[in-house]
Amino acid sequence: DAKTTQPPSMDCAEGRAANLPCNHSTISGNEYVYWYRQIHSQGPQYIIHGLKNNETNEMASLIITEDRKSSTLILPHATLRDTAVYYCIVIKAAGNKLTFGGGTRVLVKP
Amino acid sequence: GAGVSQTPSNKVTEKGKYVELRCDPISGHTALYWYRQSLGQGPEFLIYFQGTGAADDSGLPNDRFFAVRPEGSVSTLKIQRTERGDSAVYLCASSLSNSGRALFFGPGTRLTVL
Repeated sequence: DAKTTQPPSMDCAEGRAANLPCNHSTISGNEYVYWYRQIHSQGPQYIIHGLKNNETNEMASLIITEDRKSSTLILPHATLRDTAVYYCIVIKAAGNKLTFGGGTRVLVKP
Repeated sequence: GAGVSQTPSNKVTEKGKYVELRCDPISGHTALYWYRQSLGQGPEFLIYFQGTGAADDSGLPNDRFFAVRPEGSVSTLKIQRTERGDSAVYLCASSLSNSGRALFFGPGTRLTVL
């Protein structure tokens, strides 16, 4: 599975959009981009995933560049409860396990 | 509905002892995963079950670690001769086999080996 690169940490203001970048320049055509987050003392939580089209659900939006080498997770109106570590993971459709990197530690400030 | 549950939530044991950690997946989920997470690190894959069989156990660190899922539902992670380095949060996750990789994680069991 392709390796991903994320900034180790970022702050954002409550009520503003949070844009979380992920670089996956070695992604191949059959690999999906998945995002999970982990709030302190909880297990990871699935957020969203995509292949090449942009995706949106009740939690977030996922924007994947046309060349698929990077993506951005957007939390449209960050709340204090969105403070968590966010993981970007690239995995083949036929793969059986997620490999977590270091993620981005996001702190939402009032 | 009920999510993934794990018991106990906390386990403290002494070096050299045997421990069992239990995972109850979401009903109907055929895939079950075990991960281990050390402080400040991302979760580390241990083993994956599809039904009753271990489809991938490549993450088990050594032969002291073993996991079973005899009826394709509840799973038990067993650690023999525990060492202080085994201290971590052990996470279990389940998924429908045909839902891609949207895993649903439990709250974890915090294992402390003294």
